[in-house]
Amino acid sequence: GENVEQHPSTLSVQEGDSAVIKCTYSDSASNYFPWYKQELGKRPQLIIDIRSNVGEKKDQRIAVTLNKTAKHFSLHITETQPEDSAVYFCAASLNDYKLSFGAGTTVTVRA
Amino acid sequence: NAGVTQTPKFQVLKTGQSMTLQCAQDMNHNSMYWYRQDPGMGLRLIYYSASEGTTDKGEVPNGYNVSRLNKREFSLRLESAAPSQTSVYFCASSNSGRTQYFGPGTRLLVL
Repeated sequence: GENVEQHPSTLSVQEGDSAVIKCTYSDSASNYFPWYKQELGKRPQLIIDIRSNVGEKKDQRIAVTLNKTAKHFSLHITETQPEDSAVYFCAASLNDYKLSFGAGTTVTVRA
Repeated sequence: NAGVTQTPKFQVLKTGQSMTLQCAQDMNHNSMYWYRQDPGMGLRLIYYSASEGTTDKGEVPNGYNVSRLNKREFSLRLESAAPSQTSVYFCASSNSGRTQYFGPGTRLLVL
């Protein structure tokens, strides 16, 4: 099955700086790559996703890039704010149903 | 719309006891999922139902059974609970190829 590795496991940034989280996947047939944000004690919520026919996607302060050749994708958060503090999960999917998640990155934004 | 709801929110079981976790969605989604979340391991798919009347194993199905009762409801059953099943369980739903929406989760402690 698909194996997704996520780095770093923890990330501390100064408010206003950028944060970057990287994920690699094992199966070159994977074609869907969502990112979820989970605040403490809450449910995961989708923040952005990208499909394999697109190299980059941006939504305000959040962007995701995909390198199919290297089988890795990254989440970029610019101008970080305290409300960006959360656990972020990347995932990869071979079909429309089975998501394989990374282990998560705990992001702390220091005021 | 309530979205995805789960019951109970919290449960304590003794080893060997059985229980059923309930999940319902009111978004008219075709697909439903059960995940477990353990510290440092992200979310792992237990079972999913691509459409009403079908169920398939995910990454960690051993020790669990599921029932897709109708389009709205998808239950997860533990026949003989083990301490290794102590976890947070999330139900999710989606339409094919689209965002998975998660429920609030069920915290299960098996003693």
